[in-house]
Parts: sequence; structure tokens; C-alpha cells
Amino acid sequence: GAGVSQSPSNKVTEKGKDVELRCDPISGHTALYWYRQSLGQGLEFLIYFQGNSAPDKSGLPSDRFSAERTGGSVSTLTIQRTQQEDSAVYLCASSLAGGSNTGELFFGEGSRLTVL
Amino acid sequence: EDKVVQSPLSLVVHEGDTVTLNCSYEVTNFRSLLWYKQEKKAPTFLFMLTSSGIEKKSGRLSSILDKKELFSILNITATQTGDSAVYLCAVENWGINDMRFGAGTRLTVK
Repeated sequence: GAGVSQSPSNKVTEKGKDVELRCDPISGHTALYWYRQSLGQGLEFLIYFQGNSAPDKSGLPSDRFSAERTGGSVSTLTIQRTQQEDSAVYLCASSLAGGSNTGELFFGEGSRLTVL
Repeated sequence: EDKVVQSPLSLVVHEGDTVTLNCSYEVTNFRSLLWYKQEKKAPTFLFMLTSSGIEKKSGRLSSILDKKELFSILNITATQTGDSAVYLCAVENWGINDMRFGAGTRLTVK
């Protein structure tokens, strides 16, 4: 696609339910990032994929969070047994990575998660 | 631990003012520093800096990097209401290509 696409754009769920957020990066972008942004805060790094592998999972806040990427393209971020503190905007970004192609991230519009 | 610190956290100015936003960093293997503007949802790219002392410029915005003192500044001259946004600084490491963001500076132009 022309840009990074995320779905759903808004998700309201009850505490304890599982949610799945999807990111479809720009075609050909090998690097994919997930960030979390709470209201009025900066971007909190969650996980980074290079192709299908995740060399850096250090940002995942707990074992309730997991992410996968298949076919070097679409990624899903899963939050199990959601808690109210999980409420935030989850932003996905992709970039051309490796060699001289580096740096600029292209962001999706985000998925706003509200846990009641 | 890698760290990116932005200051001030928020700033309110009047149209026409000049502002300077700061970003300092401590990372293990610096590759590049990037500035983004976030108005509502998706941050949009402004600049990427890799070399010290070379100013990048785009209209009223400019930025420079000091790799010895480990900081960068983003300048905006003759501010306009459309400059109101959160400005994010991010630093990229060699080797693993991750990118860490600072907390951002919220600029309000009245």
C-alpha cells in the first residue's frame, strides 16, 4: 500500500479481554517497529522486527504482550488479559533498513486502545 | 541504558517568536538522530542528522548535531500557529537498527 496501515483505528475493550492490533507496513520495508504512546507522553519503544525476526524485544512491558510478523510483511501485536494501564495509542512504523537505507520511519495513524 | 532526553517538555510562544528545542542522548553505538513532528496521530519526518556541525535546513526549520557533546537542537524561526505540535527526537544505533524516542517537546504557538 501507499502508507503504513493499522487496524483497528479504535478499540474499546473490557479489562481481562485479549486484543489484537494489526500493522501492514509499506511494501518492501524490511524493518517494522511498534511503539506505545500514552496521553501526553512520548513514544515508548515496544519491539522491532527485521524481516520476520525480532532482534529487540526489550520494550515489551510484560509477558501479556507479544508480537509476530509473518512473510516479512504484516505484523500483529497481541495483548492478553488487558489492564486499564494498557490504554494508549499503539503506533506502528516501517522503514527501509540496512546499508545506506536507514533512518526515516513512516508511521501509521495508530490504534487507540481503551480498556474499561 | 540508552537514553534520549528532550527539553523543554512544553513551550508556549507567540507567533513570530524563534524557538530552540533540545535533544541530548546517551546511546551505545550512535548511527543517526532524527527529528519528527507529531500534530495529531502519525509523526512525520523532519530531519536526519549523522554528522556533527552540518546544519540541515527546511524553510523556517533547521537542525544541527553535536556528536562530541551528544546533543542536537531544532530551531524554528518566525513561528506560526501551524507549528504547534509535539516535536520528537529519536536516535538510531548501529548494528540492530532500533530507534529510541525522547518524550517530546509540546510547542504551542499562540
